[in-house]
Amino acid sequence: GAGVSQTPSNKVTEKGKYVELRCDPISGHTALYWYRQSLGQGPEFLIYFQGTGAADDSGLPNDRFFAVRPEGSVSTLKIQRTERGDSAVYLCASSPGLGLSGANVLTFGAGSRLTVL
Amino acid sequence: SQELEQSPQSLIVQEGKNLTINCTSSKTLYGLYWYKQKYGEGLIFLMMLQKGGEEKSHEKITAKLDEKKQQSSLHITASQPSHAGIYLCGALRRDYKLSFGAGTTVTVRA
Repeated sequence: GAGVSQTPSNKVTEKGKYVELRCDPISGHTALYWYRQSLGQGPEFLIYFQGTGAADDSGLPNDRFFAVRPEGSVSTLKIQRTERGDSAVYLCASSPGLGLSGANVLTFGAGSRLTVL
Repeated sequence: SQELEQSPQSLIVQEGKNLTINCTSSKTLYGLYWYKQKYGEGLIFLMMLQKGGEEKSHEKITAKLDEKKQQSSLHITASQPSHAGIYLCGALRRDYKLSFGAGTTVTVRA
């Protein structure tokens, strides 16, 4: 697609439920990132993929969070047994590749706003 | 992130006036990104700086990088209502991750 698409744009769920957030990156972009942004804060890194593999998942807060990218394109962020503290905007970004080159600019989606009641 | 400090946290400027936002990194920079965010929207890329002393401009927005001081500044000339929003600096690290500051909220008063 023309940009990074994230669905749903808004999700309200109850504590303890399971949630999936989807990210459709720009076509041809091999690198995909997930960030979490709480109110009044900058985005916080969660995980990034190069192709199908998770290259760095050091930002995932605990084992309730998991992300996949089975075919190297669309990615799903999965949150089990949601807690109120998981409420935030989850941002996805993609870039042409990994590396320190100025060509690898991250393009962000509009985000998925998760509210856990 | 404590790795990146942005100042000021927020500012209000009269339309037509200039403003400057600063971003300081406590760790080595491999690139410095500036993004703009409006409420409920994603981040819009403004510009990226990599070399010490580099300066880039886009319309009325100019960003500079002082590599020695690990600092960058974003300057807006003759601000307009369209410049209102949250400005975020992001530091590219050697492990390819982009870490962000807390952001600076800009309000432009007519």
